[in-house]
Amino acid sequence: AQSVAQPEDQVNVAEGNPLTVKCTYSVSGNPYLFWYVQYPNRGLQFLLKYITGDNLVKGSYGFEAEFNKSQTSFHLKKPSALVSDSALYFCAVRDGSAGRRALTFGSGTRLQVQP
Amino acid sequence: DARVTQTPRHKVTEMGQEVTMRCQPILGHNTVFWYRQTMMQGLELLAYFRNRAPLDDSGMPKDRFSAEMPDATLATLKIQPSEPRDSAVYFCASGLVHGASGNTIYFGEGSWLTVV
Repeated sequence: AQSVAQPEDQVNVAEGNPLTVKCTYSVSGNPYLFWYVQYPNRGLQFLLKYITGDNLVKGSYGFEAEFNKSQTSFHLKKPSALVSDSALYFCAVRDGSAGRRALTFGSGTRLQVQP
Repeated sequence: DARVTQTPRHKVTEMGQEVTMRCQPILGHNTVFWYRQTMMQGLELLAYFRNRAPLDDSGMPKDRFSAEMPDATLATLKIQPSEPRDSAVYFCASGLVHGASGNTIYFGEGSWLTVV
């Protein structure tokens, strides 16, 4: 089985401050981890992913995420938040050892960046 | 700019009517997914296909939902008869996925369905 948890329904941060959106996962085999962003009335847009290699992954719009195997986490981070980053963020996981599995998504975290 | 195309973007229909949603995956992608998004349940996988063959449709209510891929450029999701609880956003996504690869999947803009 594979699952992902996003413990915060909403994260509030002031513009210019660093932001973190949390994600923890559970898989039987090797985790393939993804972050997507959804703006209002739009589809999901791919931000970044971890498959293997360096634990720190850099993605679009200045976002990065750190894979931590011991804590089974893949938190999304950005050093300086922008008002335009306000959106719904989804973490997703796929068991890399199971060839047929589709992505399982978390419940989403709404990021609100205040001016 | 390659993208997943979904039609219709918005649909309002009466309970009991048939609804068909269509998806054109990105050219060359071999795997197509249907997800449903609601406030209560979040993003749920309904079904997915690889090389046009259904791999998993366990998330789909079989009595009223059906998903097909008539050809490599078209995937369809049909609801018959529709019910108010089917009101949701239906997303199609596609990717070039082989076995245990970690290739990215890309989403369409969604079909926003309201059943009254």
